[in-house]
Amino acid sequence: DAKTTQPNSMESNEEEPVHLPCNHSTISGTDYIHWYRQLPSQGPEYVIHGLTSNVNNRMASLAIAEDRKSSTLILHRATLRDAAVYYCILRDLQEYGNKLVFGAGTILRVKS
Amino acid sequence: DAGITQSPRHKVTETGTPVTLRCHQTENHRYMYWYRQDPGHGLRLIHYSYGVKDTDKGEVSDGYSVSRSKTEDFLLTLESATSSQTSVYFCAIAPTGRGDTEAFFGQGTRLTVV
Repeated sequence: DAKTTQPNSMESNEEEPVHLPCNHSTISGTDYIHWYRQLPSQGPEYVIHGLTSNVNNRMASLAIAEDRKSSTLILHRATLRDAAVYYCILRDLQEYGNKLVFGAGTILRVKS
Repeated sequence: DAGITQSPRHKVTETGTPVTLRCHQTENHRYMYWYRQDPGHGLRLIHYSYGVKDTDKGEVSDGYSVSRSKTEDFLLTLESATSSQTSVYFCAIAPTGRGDTEAFFGQGTRLTVV
């Protein structure tokens, strides 16, 4: 599985945008970029995923670099409830042997 | 919310006893995963299943076995629990193993081995 690199932690102010970076320099052409987050004492939850184009949903936006070697998860207006560990992972399009492996993630702290 | 239920939610057991954790889904998803998470660490994959009776090892499979006799249930067994297996265990499901589908996680089982 291709690896991702994320900062250990980031801090944001409430109601301001947050840009969470992820580097994946060895990404293959069929790897999807996924983001999950884990709120305190809860199981991880899906946030967003994309392949090449930028993606938006009700939770966040995903900006993917043109060479796909990096991506950024954008929370448009951080709230205290967004404080969580954010995981960036790659998932190949192929069906088999796709293990869904997580790294250490980025701890996001939101200040009021 | 995706229909995933983990049971039990909390368990305390003694070293050397067998323990089975259950993950039950109502989504008819093909893929199911078991993870453990220790304080200050991310999720580590123990085993996963890609269909009934089809399972494979993850990163930290030693000391664990799994079974999937029907689509909806994925069981994780610690044959002889040790204190190092004290952890929070999460189950996840996904409709396929393909990268264009998302996974859904259960709320976790907190296991303490004393």
